[in-house]
Amino acid sequence: QKEVEQDPGPLSVPEGAIVSLNCTYSNSAFQYFMWYRQYSRKGPELLMYTYSSGNKEDGRFTAQVDKSSKYISLFIRDSQPSDSATYLCAMNTGFQKLVFGTGTRLLVSP
Amino acid sequence: DTGVSQDPRHKITKRGQNVTFRCDPISEHNRLYWYRQTLGQGPEFLTYFQNEAQLEKSRLLSDRFSAERPKGSFSTLEIQRTEQGDSAMYLCASSPPGQIYNEQFFGPGTRLTVL
Repeated sequence: QKEVEQDPGPLSVPEGAIVSLNCTYSNSAFQYFMWYRQYSRKGPELLMYTYSSGNKEDGRFTAQVDKSSKYISLFIRDSQPSDSATYLCAMNTGFQKLVFGTGTRLLVSP
Repeated sequence: DTGVSQDPRHKITKRGQNVTFRCDPISEHNRLYWYRQTLGQGPEFLTYFQNEAQLEKSRLLSDRFSAERPKGSFSTLEIQRTEQGDSAMYLCASSPPGQIYNEQFFGPGTRLTVL
């Protein structure tokens, strides 16, 4: 079993929809949780990070972490076609390698 | 452009050949990471440098793989006697000192195809 599980999708939504992306993990030592966005044939770029449990909002993006359930989420409001990409969750214990999920491919249609 | 750069962007080689990739991190970033990403998967950790010291290597990094970071600046990843299973995107990332949550900035990757 992988340390981080993520549904690969694809997830198809119409423009303007609210998107929910999720990951589960097994290592209770993880404390830092990140979401990266990766466009086709590009390197991942950091969208948001969260430390421990709680919510964090940045524009149209909200990241949630529930350490008791070992479950993290990324919500995208008012989704745009330009949001079409693969979204990778990643986590670590700090100062170290990131452990990634498989990524969820998101398609937002106009 | 002051981001992480990688060279070459694409490499096609025949099985059994040696290949070397280069990564130039963001200036002042003391930590440098190599990851490998195959189609439909997330990046998998290969190895990590802090300055010039290689601090961790994954079990994925077989004896055919070697990485260096002389003088704590750019890094090279060499694969000897390539196999078809080595075909993947090789990603380099760097992160600045003192940042415990360790935001890693990724380069565009080197796509390796082994024929």
